[in-house]
Amino acid sequence: QSVLTQPPSVSAAPGQKVIISCSGSTSNIGNNYVSWYQQLPGTAPKLLMYENNKRPSGIPDRFSASKSGTSATLGITGLQTGDEADYYCGAWDSSLRVGVFGGGTKLTVL
Amino acid sequence: EVQLVESGGGLVEPGGSLRLSCAVSGFSFRTYSMNWVRQAPGKGLEWVSSISKSASSTFYIDSVKGRFTISRDNAKNSLYLQMNSLRVEDTALYYCVTEGGAPQVLDHWGQGTLVTVYS
Repeated sequence: QSVLTQPPSVSAAPGQKVIISCSGSTSNIGNNYVSWYQQLPGTAPKLLMYENNKRPSGIPDRFSASKSGTSATLGITGLQTGDEADYYCGAWDSSLRVGVFGGGTKLTVL
Repeated sequence: EVQLVESGGGLVEPGGSLRLSCAVSGFSFRTYSMNWVRQAPGKGLEWVSSISKSASSTFYIDSVKGRFTISRDNAKNSLYLQMNSLRVEDTALYYCVTEGGAPQVLDHWGQGTLVTVYS
């Protein structure tokens, strides 16, 4: 059971938009930054978004993120088959004093 | 180019020990907090431990407290994870990860080293 809650899977057609949710509590998302990670099949995770809504260099602006209260969302527009991956949200939990992740969301581009 | 190369994984019986190492290059190691994150086969990511830049602070998930020890050698640009009293449930791919900027911004990941604890 992960501290952060994500839907196990989402799907959409190429060119469409998808939103992945991440729900937590005041001790993690509510009072700390949220990051998002993309894990393509057979590869190590990669930082996709950080500090709630910032993109690292090289990440296209098709990817966006936001945070409100104890929830966060990742949005992907103009879906491509190459976006098929597992996506994880992550944050620091100030009460537990540990890093926490969501269980991951598998994106399928139909 | 930032590079993180993990080593030290392998097969071990329950109760055994392993020491993971992570050799880093391409950035100023001493200016980054560092983390270990693991992923059991077919499962999601699980944060394991972190260590501050000067090693003055360390953190662990409850399931490894008292069994795992994170350490670093800034002179050797290396991160370590001493794993004792290993359990079957510790079986996973262990990633060495840099923490840039704000807490838990895990910005560079190694390719991982596989730890298999079998009975």
